[in-house]
Amino acid sequence: NAGVTQTPKFQVLKTGQSMTLQCAQDMNHEYMSWYRQDPGMGLRLIHYSVGAGITDQGEVPNGYNVSRSTTEDFPLRLLSAAPSQTSVYFCASSSTTRQETQYFGPGTRLLVL
Amino acid sequence: DQQVKQNSPSLSVQEGRISILNCDYTNSMFDYFLWYKKYPAEGPTFLISISSIKDKNEDGRFTVFLNKSAKHLSLHIVPSQPGDSAVYFCAAPTNAGGTSYGKLTFGQGTILTVHP
Repeated sequence: NAGVTQTPKFQVLKTGQSMTLQCAQDMNHEYMSWYRQDPGMGLRLIHYSVGAGITDQGEVPNGYNVSRSTTEDFPLRLLSAAPSQTSVYFCASSSTTRQETQYFGPGTRLLVL
Repeated sequence: DQQVKQNSPSLSVQEGRISILNCDYTNSMFDYFLWYKKYPAEGPTFLISISSIKDKNEDGRFTVFLNKSAKHLSLHIVPSQPGDSAVYFCAAPTNAGGTSYGKLTFGQGTILTVHP
């Protein structure tokens, strides 16, 4: 039982490049979310999903796309990276019965030059 | 609009003493609160929670107190240990009063350092 896994651990991008941050969970959780952590800002919700095929925007969705084709996977796509997207990204999942108790992945540190 | 606020960026305590981390909120509809702990290069992990029907919840060395009238909660760690050194986030379900779907609103975090 690996919990929530994220790849890559670290990535450097140039402005304008695109990439996909991968997230997978093996706990059969319905709910999945993406957060970004910036100094002095805590964690802010980017996008979330309540099940396969259903996604919605969070607090800071601009510049990011998501899709959820399976219960296990919830990738986050940066379409055209900007320096303002330099951050640490966390994927999280939770069950419908204990939805507030989020299980987080180890994070992806992204640097956009 | 920061609905959950942790106004102390950092706290330093001696091993064996009490650590008190504070959190304030502005949304009176919040009815459930959580504390998460985060070590460097790891994701946050759930630590303890409290429902608004209680004013205290205890789990070993960790106790969370809730003062609804002041919209304030605090996390007490007694006794503090060097392994408690981490960033602590308080959080509340985003859809206050409704179904959160797992979405959380986080405070800015407090860096706790426990010195041996």
